Order: sequence, then structure tokens, then C-alpha cells
Amino acid sequence: QVQLQESGPGLVKPSQTLSLTCTVSGGSISSGSDYWSWIRQHPGKGLEWIGFIYNSVSPYYNPSLKSRVTISVDTSKNQFSLRLSSVTAADTAIYYCARAVAPEDSGSYWFDSWGQGTLVTVSS
Amino acid sequence: DIQMTQSPSSLSASVGDRVTITCRASQSISRYLHWYQQKLGKAPKLLIYGASSLQSGVPSRFSGSGSGTEFTLTISSVQPEDFATYYCQQSFSTPPTFGQGTKVEIK
Repeated sequence: QVQLQESGPGLVKPSQTLSLTCTVSGGSISSGSDYWSWIRQHPGKGLEWIGFIYNSVSPYYNPSLKSRVTISVDTSKNQFSLRLSSVTAADTAIYYCARAVAPEDSGSYWFDSWGQGTLVTVSS
Repeated sequence: DIQMTQSPSSLSASVGDRVTITCRASQSISRYLHWYQQKLGKAPKLLIYGASSLQSGVPSRFSGSGSGTEFTLTISSVQPEDFATYYCQQSFSTPPTFGQGTKVEIK
């Protein structure tokens, strides 16, 4: 059973870069069929997909955030990371890392494993 | 982006009631629709994938149906541990998008 755990600063100043890391255990991040994802949830609100990385090298980002987001993988540490630049108060949210599985015969993917989430507050 | 709209936004139910939540997509998404349960302060948990396939370990009182633009999540006999917020999510096109959530509360 794969487990994910987010880590990083809980407070970021406006205009700075938010950086989070997700450590994966119980499975290899190098698995070619999985999408390693970041999803956020504004306080009391719904879920917003930020992006994911596939096969360790192919990132996909939400167009609404694309100009500010970078997702990368460190296979040696079995971790993947999120960087979100030029943050504002609107980026205050709970950030989740998640795995999306994409069975070959399904043509689809779904988020089957999630980290516990980490609250990031953007404030001076 | 494909818009996902859930109804109702909230509902009250008694233990043992049958509960049905609807999710509508702004365009056809075939059966690329998945359901999650989120309890307060916790991460979402996958319940149903591919519109109707039950995730391993999820009780059989949960079921999903639908295709195209209209989908339902049914809890056949709601239990105390089922009171939570439920989200649908489409993976037909990128970006994947979620419904706004349906909060199931105790009557």
C-alpha cells in the first residue's frame, strides 16, 4: 500500500515561492504507469488540481496555474516536489500530494492514494 | 475546462436512509467519472472509479452509475461513518476537474 507524506513550510510570504515535497513509501515513484500529483483545497472549499508528472519526466499543469508551477521528481529519494512562484493570499490552501493510477485497459486515471495534506498560508 | 456540477450541495439523512447524489458534466465524459469521500480534516478517499467500479475495501452499500453527462452515487443504507462530503471528478480531459461537493449531514 503506497503512502504519501507532504513536507515544507507552512508559511510563505507574498511574492515568494512555495515549495513542497512529497515522500512516497511502499512503492516506487519510477513506476511508469502512475501520475504523481498535486491538488489543493482552499479553506472550506472544493478541490483544485494543480498538476502531475508522468513517467518522471512529463509534467502536466493546470492552465490556470501553468505560468507559476513546476513539478519535478527525485527518483533517488522517491520524492516529487511542487514549486509555485509569485504566491498571493489566494494561494493559501491545504496542499495534497496524490497518486493517480492509470490502468492500461481503462484509458482513464483516478486518484487512489493521498497524503494527509499540509496547510500553507501566504502572509507577510 | 469541463465543469462538474453536483446536486444537492448538502442533504440531511437519518441512519439507514438511502442517499443519492447526482453529478452532471458540462459535456460528455463517457464513464471517466470517479467519486471521493472526504471527512473533516482528512484527505479525500477514493470510493468509485470508472463511474461504477468499487474501490477495494469500500463497503458495498456504495454504488455508482451513469455515463455521458449524468452520474449518481448511491449509499443504500447510510451509516454513521458515512457522514462526510462527497466529490465527483472527471478524467476525460485535462485538467481533471472536481464537483463542488455534497455534504451529507445527520438529520
